[in-house]
Amino acid sequence: AQSVTQLDSHVSVSEGTPVLLRCNYSSSYSPSLFWYVQHPNKGLQLLLKYTSAATLVKGINGFEAEFKKSETSFHLTKPSAHMSDAAEYFCVVSEGSSGTYKYIFGTGTRLKVLA
Amino acid sequence: DTAVSQTPKYLVTQMGNDKSIKCEQNLGHDTMYWYKQDSKKFLKIMFSYNNKELIINETVPNRFSPKSPDKAHLNLHINSLELGDSAVYFCASSQAGSEAFFGQGTRLTVV
Repeated sequence: AQSVTQLDSHVSVSEGTPVLLRCNYSSSYSPSLFWYVQHPNKGLQLLLKYTSAATLVKGINGFEAEFKKSETSFHLTKPSAHMSDAAEYFCVVSEGSSGTYKYIFGTGTRLKVLA
Repeated sequence: DTAVSQTPKYLVTQMGNDKSIKCEQNLGHDTMYWYKQDSKKFLKIMFSYNNKELIINETVPNRFSPKSPDKAHLNLHINSLELGDSAVYFCASSQAGSEAFFGQGTRLTVV
């Protein structure tokens, strides 16, 4: 079975400084990986996805992630944090085949942005 | 138009009651899901349906009964509600393993 591990449950950064949210995956083959964001009392919004095309994936709101097979990592970065980035972030891997896919979530990283 | 919509957004009910949550998607996806988010924000799959057929049932108590009248709808009925059922329930849809689209969630509080 596939899994993802988010290495930090909480991350605090100052506004305007870089963001790094770490995710490692476990998969026996090339996985599909996603990052989702959840703002307080809101639903889940897709930030970006990796599906075996370019290893550097650009997403919305200035976020990007790099797929590194040798390190089994898919870390999320942003050059400059904004107050509105404060939220819960989930690294997700999909598993399955035609009609049987499911999405396995990491435990989440809460990002705090300090003024 | 909202891609995945679920109702109600909030549900407060007493222990022992029966309640339903409805979900509709207008994306034309074949697969729909129910996920449960607990108080620690952890999200776990409960059910998936593909073209109205139950595919995944992740050891959910049989008090929870999903129903898919057509591939655009997936409802969740819960019998004999317990305190431990309090959570946020998310409906989602996807196509062929691409990204999942989630509804806004239903916050269920059992008192």
